[in-house]
Amino acid sequence: DAGVTQSPTHLIKTRGQQVTLRCSPKSGHDTVSWYQQALGQGPQFIFQYYEEEERQRGNFPDRFSGHQFPNYSSELNVNALLLGDSALYLCASSSPTSSTDTQYFGPGTRLTVL
Amino acid sequence: AQSVTQLDSQVPVFEEAPVELRCNYSSSVSVYLFWYVQYPNQGLQLLLKYLSGSTLVKGINGFEAEFNKSQTSFHLRKPSVHISDTAEYFCAVSRDRDDKIIFGKGTRLHILP
Repeated sequence: DAGVTQSPTHLIKTRGQQVTLRCSPKSGHDTVSWYQQALGQGPQFIFQYYEEEERQRGNFPDRFSGHQFPNYSSELNVNALLLGDSALYLCASSSPTSSTDTQYFGPGTRLTVL
Repeated sequence: AQSVTQLDSQVPVFEEAPVELRCNYSSSVSVYLFWYVQYPNQGLQLLLKYLSGSTLVKGINGFEAEFNKSQTSFHLRKPSVHISDTAEYFCAVSRDRDDKIIFGKGTRLHILP
């Protein structure tokens, strides 16, 4: 059973460009959350998707948007990239129907903005 | 709102010595507590979690943590560390199992030979 997968592994973009990161949740999970981890910091919550809707959102500008597909996979889009968007982007999946399970994290996508 | 404070940004410890990584949290509601480990250039791996029940929680790789509600702490301990434990450790809190997770800033565990 594959865990949470993310693509691509690494990405290099220039300021002003747009980027799309992808996440496939763990089998049986229907909720996907995205986190940004800047260098030397703890991860920060961006938003969470459930039933193809944004259910929660952290303190991130509208340049950060997302989408969830019927198969529960998700995309994170960032427009008008800034140097400060350079970070490790982590995806986590979970299932609200589980009584003991918690969120599982993927390996992350490292985004470098030049 | 919840918050997490990891009191030490770096902890150096000799190999085979015991270690404690400190974590305090703040919340107006009951929370779930977690410790994650991040090895260099990798994602997050769950070490252990406290959801309810016994306040002493055992995790992977010989780690354990104790939930102390009165002191709002969730310190991580290991009786004997190995060089392979070199990593960044994150304490985290959430209101529910699939709610957003609030992370501390991390503690870098540096194992000395």
